[in-house]
Amino acid sequence: AQRVTQPEKLLSVFKGAPVELKCNYSYSGSPELFWYVQYSRQRLQLLLRHISRESIKGFTADLNKGETSFHLKKPFAQEEDSAMYYCAQGGKLIFGQGTELSVKP
Amino acid sequence: DAMVIQNPRYQVTQFGKPVTLSCSQTLNHNVMYWYQQKSSQAPKLLFHYYDKDFNNEADTPDNFQSRRPNTSFCFLDIRSPGLGDAAMYLCATSRVGIADTQYFGPGTRLTVL
Repeated sequence: AQRVTQPEKLLSVFKGAPVELKCNYSYSGSPELFWYVQYSRQRLQLLLRHISRESIKGFTADLNKGETSFHLKKPFAQEEDSAMYYCAQGGKLIFGQGTELSVKP
Repeated sequence: DAMVIQNPRYQVTQFGKPVTLSCSQTLNHNVMYWYQQKSSQAPKLLFHYYDKDFNNEADTPDNFQSRRPNTSFCFLDIRSPGLGDAAMYLCATSRVGIADTQYFGPGTRLTVL
């Protein structure tokens, strides 16, 4: 069965620090991979997807097939980045458990 | 704004009393999904409709049913809610294929007394 692992439940960094949210997937082919974000009191929304190779709000994510990873990175975290981040795989969206990012002033 | 709307936002029901949750969309998307999200857990797909074709996940309990009378509306029926069914229920849509970006509603929080 497909599985997405986000090893950190909570990640706390200071404003301006680099941030990396880890995601590992289990799929032998070419996966569809996404990062979804949920800000406080807002609905779940797409942050980025690997196929578009975009940078959204300064976040990037690179697919590493050798390590089966799709880590989310941002060089300088902002307080408004504080949210719950979910890595997801596949069209039917198998979600990871989520990582809560807290950016402190 | 085109969007995904869920009603009600909060629903309280009694143990064993049938309940229906509603989702509507103005995006004219082909695919509609229902997810269950329990406290501190990831959303879990229950089923989805591709147009009128219903696709149930293998581990979705029979207690959960769905209807999609037209493109815009989709309902989640819980025939006999148990205490373990208390959760946030999320509706989502995607344009064409199930690999497309999904657009989520705000969710309905179900409490079972």
